[in-house]
Amino acid sequence: AQSVTQLDSHVSVSEGTPVLLRCNYSSSYSPSLFWYVQHPNKGLQLLLKYTSAATLVKGINGFEAEFKKSETSFHLTKPSAHMSDAAEYFCVVSDTEDTGRRALTFGSGTRLQVQP
Amino acid sequence: NAGVTQTPKFQVLKTGQSMTLQCAQDMNHNSMYWYRQDPGMGLRLIYYSASEGTTDKGEVPNGYNVSRLNKREFSLRLESAAPSQTSVYFCASRPREGQGDSPLHFGNGTRLTVT
Repeated sequence: AQSVTQLDSHVSVSEGTPVLLRCNYSSSYSPSLFWYVQHPNKGLQLLLKYTSAATLVKGINGFEAEFKKSETSFHLTKPSAHMSDAAEYFCVVSDTEDTGRRALTFGSGTRLQVQP
Repeated sequence: NAGVTQTPKFQVLKTGQSMTLQCAQDMNHNSMYWYRQDPGMGLRLIYYSASEGTTDKGEVPNGYNVSRLNKREFSLRLESAAPSQTSVYFCASRPREGQGDSPLHFGNGTRLTVT
């Protein structure tokens, strides 16, 4: 069975400083991994996805994530935070269940605060 | 380009009342999903419809029913609302179930309070 652990429920950074949101996963087969962002009172929007191609994945708004199989991690980073990055971020794993179905499992979310 | 549209945006129910949450997508997607979002728990799948005419239970289906009315529309019904169903409900779609690499497209959510 697959699972996702987002290691921090809240992260606070200053504008212009780097962002690191941590995600560890477990899966039995070959996972796909995603990061989604949710702004207040909005639905989730895809930031980036890993699908067994390049291990360093670039997404929208300057975010990127690196898939590290040996560490079972998929941490999200951005070199310089902007006020508009304040939101909740979800790490998601897609893997094959015992039934053969590809199922999605969501992490519990990390709320990013950006201080001026 | 509307994407995924959910109605209503907000709803307050008394315990025991019923209601239907509506969802429609205009992207010609085959698969549609209903999730609930609770603080600290991420999103949990209630029901999904892999294609028109089929529905299947997800992780937390108890207390809910769904109808895939046509390819565009997928509704979620609470027959007898309970306070434990207070949550934010999201509808999502993607081109086809089973395509693990295909991301979900989400609506903006329905915020439901059951008193």
